[in-house]
Amino acid sequence: DAKTTQPNSMESNEEEPVHLPCNHSTISGTDYIHWYRQLPSQGPEYVIHGLTSNVNNRMASLAIAEDRKSSTLILHRATLRDAAVYYCILRDGASGTYKYIFGTGTRLKVLA
Amino acid sequence: NAGVMQNPRHLVRRRGQEARLRCSPMKGHSHVYWYRQLPEEGLKFMVYLQKENIIDESGMPKERFSAEFPKEGPSILRIQQVVRGDSAAYFCASSPGQGAFGEQYFGPGTRLTVT
Repeated sequence: DAKTTQPNSMESNEEEPVHLPCNHSTISGTDYIHWYRQLPSQGPEYVIHGLTSNVNNRMASLAIAEDRKSSTLILHRATLRDAAVYYCILRDGASGTYKYIFGTGTRLKVLA
Repeated sequence: NAGVMQNPRHLVRRRGQEARLRCSPMKGHSHVYWYRQLPEEGLKFMVYLQKENIIDESGMPKERFSAEFPKEGPSILRIQQVVRGDSAAYFCASSPGQGAFGEQYFGPGTRLTVT
């Protein structure tokens, strides 16, 4: 079973920032937090991942709570192309596990 | 650099027929993963392979399903005697190595419809 909890859906206006929350209250010290997104009729696409510190890349930012029990994916300026299902996934770095356990994710709708 | 390629993109089979799904990983990637996605659900892990070896098939149904990744050529997911419940999108992903740190690169998927 997925070890994360996300809202089923969210809406955002185009050109505005979007904050996608994820709860992972049972996270272990060696779990990495990964985010993927799946555009309609496509395979999942890597967005970002982190362990403890906040992370930034060209696609998004990942803000991780100090206790690591929650995190937030931040899209700084949503565009219509960002409409997708966003998955927050934990992966254990200690065991070297490779399989992703996907939940149902958050469906993001971007309004023009 | 071409991404992960899957073919066919759409496959229609009648009940009882066989389905063969192909996956060519990204250049330089020797690790392949197969996932299945039912409508309105998240992806479910099926199997993890390296060249000529099945590493983990814990997500594969016990019967009718098999996978291989030969020394030469694409990885194949084979479903024998398909049933309506096999209708789903099947995604292949690849990575250059195993581990929890790096990402997996997913293909566009094969959408299997069983009539």
